[in-house]
Amino acid sequence: DVKVTQSSRYLVKRTGEKVFLECVQDMDHENMFWYRQDPGLGLRLIYFSYDVKMKEKGDIPEGYSVSREKKERFSLILESASTNQTSMYLCASSRVIRTGRNEQFFGPGTRLTVL
Amino acid sequence: GENVEQHPSTLSVQEGDSAVIKCTYSDSASNYFPWYKQELGKGPQLIIDIRSNVGEKKDQRIAVTLNKTAKHFSLHITETQPEDSAVYFCAASNMNYGGATNKLIFGTGTLLAVQP
Repeated sequence: DVKVTQSSRYLVKRTGEKVFLECVQDMDHENMFWYRQDPGLGLRLIYFSYDVKMKEKGDIPEGYSVSREKKERFSLILESASTNQTSMYLCASSRVIRTGRNEQFFGPGTRLTVL
Repeated sequence: GENVEQHPSTLSVQEGDSAVIKCTYSDSASNYFPWYKQELGKGPQLIIDIRSNVGEKKDQRIAVTLNKTAKHFSLHITETQPEDSAVYFCAASNMNYGGATNKLIFGTGTLLAVQP
C-alpha cells in the first residue's frame, strides 16, 4: 500500500516562529503536493513539486515556501507563522499519469495552531 | 482558472436512503473528475472517478454522472450505511497523459451524516 506520512499530527507554534512540516512517501512518486484544508473552503493547493528540486506555486503560496531535496520528501516551511495560518495541512503524492487514473494519495494531515 | 462549486455543504440522510452530491466546474477543458472521501482523522481517499468521454460510472453502491454540456457532475450513494458518514470532495482536472503534474481543483466538501 502507498503510504504518505506527515511528521506531526498536531503542532502548536507561536506567532513569528519558523515552522517546518515534513512529508514522506514510500511509492517513488514523482509528484508531491501541499494543501491546506479549512471549513467551507475545501482543499486549497499551496505548492507542488513534480521532481526533485522543482517546485511550483499553487493557488495560495503567500507566506509559505517548500523544499524537495529528495524524491520521497517534501517539506512545507512557514517562514514566520501567523495566526491566519492556523489550519489543517495535508500532503499528497501521485505518479506521472500514464493511464486513466490521476490518483493523489494523502497523508493523515497536520493540524497546526498558531498562537 | 478552474473553479469547482459543490453542494450541499452538509447532508443528513436516514440509513438506507440515497444521497446525492452535486458539483459544477468552470473550465470546459477539464476532462477528469474524481471523488474523494475523507473519514474522521484521515486524509482524503479516492473512491470513484470519471473521464469526460463517459457519462456514467458505477461501483457497487456509488455512481458518478457527468453532464459535459452543463458542466455538472454528481455523486450518488444508494442504500447508505453509517460507515458512509464522511466528508466528500469532488475535483476536476485537465489531464495531460505523460505530462509532469496534473493538478486537481477541489470543491469545498460535503459533510454526509447517515443516521442509523
